[in-house]
Amino acid sequence: SQQGEEDPQALSIQEGENATMNCSYKTSINNLQWYRQNSGRGLVHLILIRSNEREKHSGRLRVTLDTSKKSSSLLITASRAADTASYFCATDGGSYIPTFGRGTSLIVHP
Amino acid sequence: DSGVTQTPKHLITATGQRVTLRCSPRSGDLSVYWYQQSLDQGLQFLIQYYNGEERAKGNILERFSAQQFPDLHSELNLSSLELGDSALYFCASSVGSGADTEAFFGQGTRLTVV
Repeated sequence: SQQGEEDPQALSIQEGENATMNCSYKTSINNLQWYRQNSGRGLVHLILIRSNEREKHSGRLRVTLDTSKKSSSLLITASRAADTASYFCATDGGSYIPTFGRGTSLIVHP
Repeated sequence: DSGVTQTPKHLITATGQRVTLRCSPRSGDLSVYWYQQSLDQGLQFLIQYYNGEERAKGNILERFSAQQFPDLHSELNLSSLELGDSALYFCASSVGSGADTEAFFGQGTRLTVV
């Protein structure tokens, strides 16, 4: 069963626009991670945010975490065609095992 | 390149057969996780090993088994294969098994059961 669920399931934007994806989860966590997967390939780790952190940045990525709402968001600023991929959040449900949602499929049109 | 190596990349086999998937973790990583990714089930956690010992079990079928060897590489054995076992199988590794652990994924083994 999925611990985290991403929303929306699919997102289509133009290059240069910002993309925001959300993740909601059910049980308490120690950390939450975001990953990117290009079609049929392995997952690439983007960022890890701990339960005691509220916001984290990495390049064009901004992740927020609201433990009271059990939700996180991933913002990609100034998107590029190369950002086209599926994005997953992984929560550990307190067990330290990354458990994934079904992902958000992002398409960035040049 | 994540540093996690999975072999083979592709595998086509018949129903009822048995296959072994191999994973070499990143140098220094003690934890190995196995995941199955299919279109209808998403990415499902199967099992985790830490320094040779089984640490956690997820949605792993009894027909599937895994182990981690002293050199820390891991193998996932799938037996009595069914059409529904067709999926991408990923291995991930991490340094530890605690809260600050980032998991790094291999490129996966695509298994097709015919």
